[in-house]
Amino acid sequence: EPEVTQTPSHQVTQMGQEVILRCVPISNHLYFYWYRQILGQKVEFLVSFYNNEISEKSEIFDDQFSVERPDGSNFTLKIRSTKLEDSAMYFCASEGGDYGYTFGSGTRLTVV
Amino acid sequence: AQSVSQHNHHVILSEAASLELGCNYSYGGTVNLFWYVQYPGQHLQLLLKYFSGDPLVKGIKGFEAEFIKSKFSFNLRKPSVQWSDTAEYFCAVNPLNTGNQFYFGTGTSLTVIP
Repeated sequence: EPEVTQTPSHQVTQMGQEVILRCVPISNHLYFYWYRQILGQKVEFLVSFYNNEISEKSEIFDDQFSVERPDGSNFTLKIRSTKLEDSAMYFCASEGGDYGYTFGSGTRLTVV
Repeated sequence: AQSVSQHNHHVILSEAASLELGCNYSYGGTVNLFWYVQYPGQHLQLLLKYFSGDPLVKGIKGFEAEFIKSKFSFNLRKPSVQWSDTAEYFCAVNPLNTGNQFYFGTGTSLTVIP
């Protein structure tokens, strides 16, 4: 069964540093998403991406965040200057237009 | 604002007990509804989904859910749980007029005791 792959599984970074979270969506999917889950809280939408541009973003997705699909296979989330409150599990998802979201296993980001 | 409520935060059951997890949403328009499961250390996996038609939806691993439009509910059920069902369960709603964004509930942690 096709999978969405996320790397790394766990990243620790110092406050103020830039991080890039990587995702490889399912190859024939067209819609890509980032969600995050702060420990003990619900899964929250960050951004959706279609046709090489952001289609929707939440209030959480401020100027510190950016997404990119640099090479047609990877889908990255960059946080420019991390804050303690960015510590969370970040999930990538892709979807082929049939509402069949497939989530990756997540990247646990710890900002210290 | 759209919201999804899962009233049971932590449920503990013995094996073979029946399970019902509640999910209510606030959006009044047409919605697609989902239940996801997250086993310890793993990613979110789709259990079942409702788009239209028969409001009783059957999913994987013996789970089912019933959409009751008048109650804005989509409760998850399983007649007899197993130890391997221990996981976090998330209800999610996709209002059709808001694009592809999903709104998740806070999750219900299920522990099944052998």
